[in-house]
Amino acid sequence: QVQLVQSGPEVKKPGASVKVSCQASGYRFTGHGISWVRQAPGQGLEWMGWINTYDGNTNFAQKFQGRVTMTTDTSTSTVYMELRRLSSDDTAVYYCARDISAIVQDVFDMWGQGTLVTVSS
Amino acid sequence: EVVMTQSPATLSVSPGERATLSCRASQSVTSNLAWYQQKPGQAPRLLIYAASTRATGIPARFSGSGSGTEFTLTISSLQSEDFAFYYCQQYNNWPLTFGGGTKVEIK
Repeated sequence: QVQLVQSGPEVKKPGASVKVSCQASGYRFTGHGISWVRQAPGQGLEWMGWINTYDGNTNFAQKFQGRVTMTTDTSTSTVYMELRRLSSDDTAVYYCARDISAIVQDVFDMWGQGTLVTVSS
Repeated sequence: EVVMTQSPATLSVSPGERATLSCRASQSVTSNLAWYQQKPGQAPRLLIYAASTRATGIPARFSGSGSGTEFTLTISSLQSEDFAFYYCQQYNNWPLTFGGGTKVEIK
């Protein structure tokens, strides 16, 4: 079964860091890039960045530059997203999403189930 | 960055009727435009990419059109399962950007 499975909900204090995982199964992991997209409560979708699962190259939205890290572990078909210096504005559901293909990138045909990150003192 | 503007914010439609959703880009994105459907508590689902190509398994009642800065998603005959939020997304330039969404509700 082709799927992306994310780690569970997190509660963090302001200033802390969070690391969310996204494990792929059912397809060739290194054949598709992965993006992270977040959605604050009652709000729209916001793209955070992308990682090439084959070589680990990344591209981040400027808003998150310096505060986000994305890594890939091909041995477990898992991508990680770490966000540092959290504030209440980072409270959101975080999704990983797969590129359709190596040719059609940045369009997402599969999504993880989402991970709720709550930042509260 | 490319700003995506969707209209209307809310569309009230009766089952069986046609729904037309609009998406405008602040600069040309050629045909690099996708549409997603999202229901409460669920992840988005890809409907359309390359402005008019239906994703795998998407019913033919969903169609997309447009290029450059103006795009349309049409649902030809609304079914009960189509009442949801719809988002457009440009992938012509990084950062990737989404529209603010259109809520399609039952009239």
